Amino acid sequence: EAQVTQNPRYLITVTGKKLTVTCSQNMNHEYMSWYRQDPGLGLRQIYYSMNVEVTDKGDVPEGYKVSRKEKRNFPLILESPSPNQTSLYFCASSWGGGSAYGYTFGSGTRLTVV
Amino acid sequence: SQKIEQNSEALNIQEGKTATLTCNYTNYSPAYLQWYRQDPGRGPVFLLLIRENEKEKRKERLKVTFDTTLKQSLFHITASQPADSATYLCALVKRDDKIIFGKGTRLHILP
Repeated sequence: EAQVTQNPRYLITVTGKKLTVTCSQNMNHEYMSWYRQDPGLGLRQIYYSMNVEVTDKGDVPEGYKVSRKEKRNFPLILESPSPNQTSLYFCASSWGGGSAYGYTFGSGTRLTVV
Repeated sequence: SQKIEQNSEALNIQEGKTATLTCNYTNYSPAYLQWYRQDPGRGPVFLLLIRENEKEKRKERLKVTFDTTLKQSLFHITASQPADSATYLCALVKRDDKIIFGKGTRLHILP
């Protein structure tokens, strides 16, 4: 089944403890992206990647890192999480740069930083 | 400033009727506009895409229109069913391939 897989689904962590949210897609998509979704703010792009070893900042990149060493994987790293990063996170992938093709989203990771 | 706006109020529609959702934008020249469905706690699911030179697109019970003069897209669900209840997001794709999501409209189909 074509899908984007995120792990974990739920995560509670403490301020300052480094964490990684994994994202993997099995559709050979070139484009991958991370979003956070907060009530009243909608989906906001954190980082995106047009291809392997190519990443770029989205609208809200502060406090996050990403890497794209393989086409299928695009992990999101929070080096020192803070409570304002408590949110619902989505990974998405697409054939192109989100232009002529719809995104396939993962099921989401609900992160709570205490 | 650039904005993409969807009805923030929930929309209640009687089962069997046509639901119409609105997406308005300002100060953009979009290349494409996409519509997604999102269920609570789940990722958005892509439904339809319409290009700037297309007036209308259909897929089963769904219809999307795109009016670049009015800067508006309408999303219609005909013969609506309770299973259509969800939040619907429009997403505007700019010419630089950047994509901007609206905040979504919650749709409730009442049995």
